[in-house]
Formats: sequence, C-alpha cells, structure tokens
Amino acid sequence: GESVGLHLPTLSVQEGDNSIINCAYSNSASDYFIWYKQESGKGPQFIIDIRSNMDKRQGQRVTVLLNKTVKHLSLQIAATQPGDSAVYFCAESPRGYNKLIFGAGTRLAVHP
Amino acid sequence: DVKVTQSSRYLVKRTGEKVFLECVQDMDHENMFWYRQDPGLGLRLIYFSYDVKMKEKGDIPEGYSVSREKKERFSLILESASTNQTSMYLCASSLKRDRPHNQPQHFGDGTRLSIL
Repeated sequence: GESVGLHLPTLSVQEGDNSIINCAYSNSASDYFIWYKQESGKGPQFIIDIRSNMDKRQGQRVTVLLNKTVKHLSLQIAATQPGDSAVYFCAESPRGYNKLIFGAGTRLAVHP
Repeated sequence: DVKVTQSSRYLVKRTGEKVFLECVQDMDHENMFWYRQDPGLGLRLIYFSYDVKMKEKGDIPEGYSVSREKKERFSLILESASTNQTSMYLCASSLKRDRPHNQPQHFGDGTRLSIL
C-alpha cells in the first residue's frame, strides 16, 4: 500500500484497548480543529471536529478533547479494532488565516 | 455520503507535458480544494475555489493553475510538468462559502502522479 509518511510516530495498541492520539497545535488564534483518518491507498476521511468554544465532543467510539491552555488536542478511540489501523492527522484553522494547517500524523497499529 | 471522485488513481507523464487532474463532487458543495501530499511534508494547499470561476492561491501555487467552470468540477493543471511535481494529489470539497477552511473538508482518494 501507499505510505503517507516514512517516519511517523507510531502508537501500537491491543485490539479492544482504548487509544489516545495526541496533537500539539501551533496557533493560539485557531478556533476550529479537525481529525482525519487515512488508510493506506486512500484519501483522508473526516472523523470528528471541534470548535474552540468547546472542550470535548463525542462521536461514535471517538472523543476529541481540546485544551486551549496548553494548545493540545487529543483523539480517543474506544475499544480499538483492527479496522482502526491507519494514519491519523489533526488540523487547525486559525482566525484570519484562509487555510487548514495539517499535522504530520500518527500511525496507529492495532494488534490482535 | 459526500463523494469526491478523482478521475485517475495513477498517472505517469513526461517532463514538459501539460497535465490535467480532474475532480468531481456530488454534494453541491461551494468550496473545492487541491492539495499535494508528500512524505514528511504533510498536506499542502495548492489552490482552492469558493465559487464557479473563482480561485485563491494556497501555499504552493507555483507551476499549477486551476479551473472551475462548473460548481461540481475542479481541475488542476500542471502547465509544464517537472519531476518535482511527482506526488500524491488530493482533491477536497466543503459545504458553505463562509470560512471554507472552518468546516469539514471531504477528500477524494487521490491521484498518484509520476513525472518522468
């Protein structure tokens, strides 16, 4: 399959465990954040987003936490499954900038 | 579900050729984007469009142009392909014109372009 990053940090978890993927963002003016999942050979797939007026948002098996004090974003995946194996990207959108700034990504490897 | 379709998964072209990459979305989205993705560099925005016949430069527009003649279609053009344009090209779309980067962008599966 295609590799989206040669030397990405890797998080290895056992099937059934919870996963936490972290992201430090750079711009204190960012007011919108988003997580994507990218499987080998595919485009990024939207998972969940959060605006800066919230600290936490939940989806199906996923939770995003936002800590604006330390400019930190995390994605929690409950009961991780083999199909969750992928590269996960966070992205931020600063007010006044006309762009999304993407992080380098973290590879999640789920072992049976 | 939003569907963003890129016309080719793999493309091989020669240096100096004019290359067209096509993208179509079926959800009546206002905004469309072209990115390239390279190992170690992440996703970088080339151009985006918030309306028919409108375009805005992204971070790396040099060597590229775009065309949006219809709302659902956004084309990326490499005017004279060079080897440093070998990359994965990703098209995306988002719904509302207001703050196009402040809402989910939905991606196609990419075109892997090799310039020989």
